[in-house]
Amino acid sequence: EPEVTQTPSHQVTQMGQEVILRCVPISNHLYFYWYRQILGQKVEFLVSFYNNEISEKSEIFDDQFSVERPDGSNFTLKIRSTKLEDSAMYFCASRQNTDTQYFGPGTRLTVL
Amino acid sequence: AQSVTQLGSHVSVSEGALVLLRCNYSSSVPPYLFWYVQYPNQGLQLLLKYTSAATLVKGINGFEAEFKKSETSFHLTKPSAHMSDAAEYFCAVSERNRDDKIIFGKGTRLHILP
Repeated sequence: EPEVTQTPSHQVTQMGQEVILRCVPISNHLYFYWYRQILGQKVEFLVSFYNNEISEKSEIFDDQFSVERPDGSNFTLKIRSTKLEDSAMYFCASRQNTDTQYFGPGTRLTVL
Repeated sequence: AQSVTQLGSHVSVSEGALVLLRCNYSSSVPPYLFWYVQYPNQGLQLLLKYTSAATLVKGINGFEAEFKKSETSFHLTKPSAHMSDAAEYFCAVSERNRDDKIIFGKGTRLHILP
């Protein structure tokens, strides 16, 4: 069964550094999402992406964040200058034209 | 705006007993409703979803949920708990007919007692 994949599984970075989290959505999916889950808290929406542009973003998704679909398979989340509070599990999700979003296994980001 | 309230951040049941995890939602438009499960150190797995067909929805691993519009509820049940059901369960809502975000509840951690 096709699945969403994410790399790396764990990323450790120093505060102020840039990180890029990578996702490979399911191949025929059209809508892409990033969510994050701070340890012990609920999963929060960050951004949705369709037709090569952002459809919606949350207030968390400030100017430090950006998303890109650089080719036909990858979907990336970039954090330009990481802060301690960016430490979280980041989930990528994708869906086709249906209602179901399929989630990847997540990337745990630790900012020191 | 949409929101989800899960009653009880922790629920403990004995193995073999009924599992009931409560979820109430708020939505100004007809919603899609979901239950996701997260096992320790893993991602989110869809258990089941309601999208306007039958109000009683059956999912994987013996779980089911009933959509009750009058009560704005979507409680998750399983007749007989198994040790492998120990996990975090998230109720979630999204708007129909939009490429919209999913709004998650805070989650309920299910503990299974031997």
